[in-house]
Amino acid sequence: QSALTQPASVSASPGQSITISCTGTSSDVGNYNLVSWYQQHPGKAPKFIIYQGTNRPSGVSDRFSGSTSGNTATLTISGLQAEDEADYYCCSYGGTRHWLFGGGTKVTVL
Amino acid sequence: EVLLLDSGGGLVQPGGSLTLSCAASGLTFRSHVMAWMRQAPGRGLEWLSSISESGENTYYADSVKGRFSISRDNSRDTVYLQMNSLSAEDTATYYCTKEVKDTFQVTLGFDPWGQGTPVTVSS
Repeated sequence: QSALTQPASVSASPGQSITISCTGTSSDVGNYNLVSWYQQHPGKAPKFIIYQGTNRPSGVSDRFSGSTSGNTATLTISGLQAEDEADYYCCSYGGTRHWLFGGGTKVTVL
Repeated sequence: EVLLLDSGGGLVQPGGSLTLSCAASGLTFRSHVMAWMRQAPGRGLEWLSSISESGENTYYADSVKGRFSISRDNSRDTVYLQMNSLSAEDTATYYCTKEVKDTFQVTLGFDPWGQGTPVTVSS
């Protein structure tokens, strides 16, 4: 099972919106509605921000949203703020109790 | 508040062994599936292993199967990761985390995560 594919970096100015794609296969992202997203600031543990591709856990800003189409999941951050500068990882169930992560995307707020 | 405290990392020689611990608090530990993840320096996250609530069922990534062993002690609210035959490729920060499930017991993700414990494999 290969890792999911994410762009290495995305950048935008404060107030703008960005999208981060996460591409898998019909054996993982495209087969299970179980994509989650994590935010990780430097030196910190990951934080759970999206589940089942589109849902936010309690307490997560509504500026974060997700979608899924076919083998690709997408994270959108609206109204970009300085505090959103971090690494973002997607994760998908891969079957047989295995989980796959993307390589991560570094978000830079210009 | 659920807290996970990872410990046990350190410097180990190639071919050596190390056991990581993760002490949980703020939850009914025996009711949750637990997992270990890792992150090599400058790299992405990698799922390593999960263990069922009772400890009866364990699952491993191909990269560590046969070398790593996950276990838990529900009387101590602690999950362990025994790591053997370590190589430089195992150098990483290791995180303990808990599966989040919905009312149908479908796993939605992993939350929270421990603070991580660094492991360096070097001679």
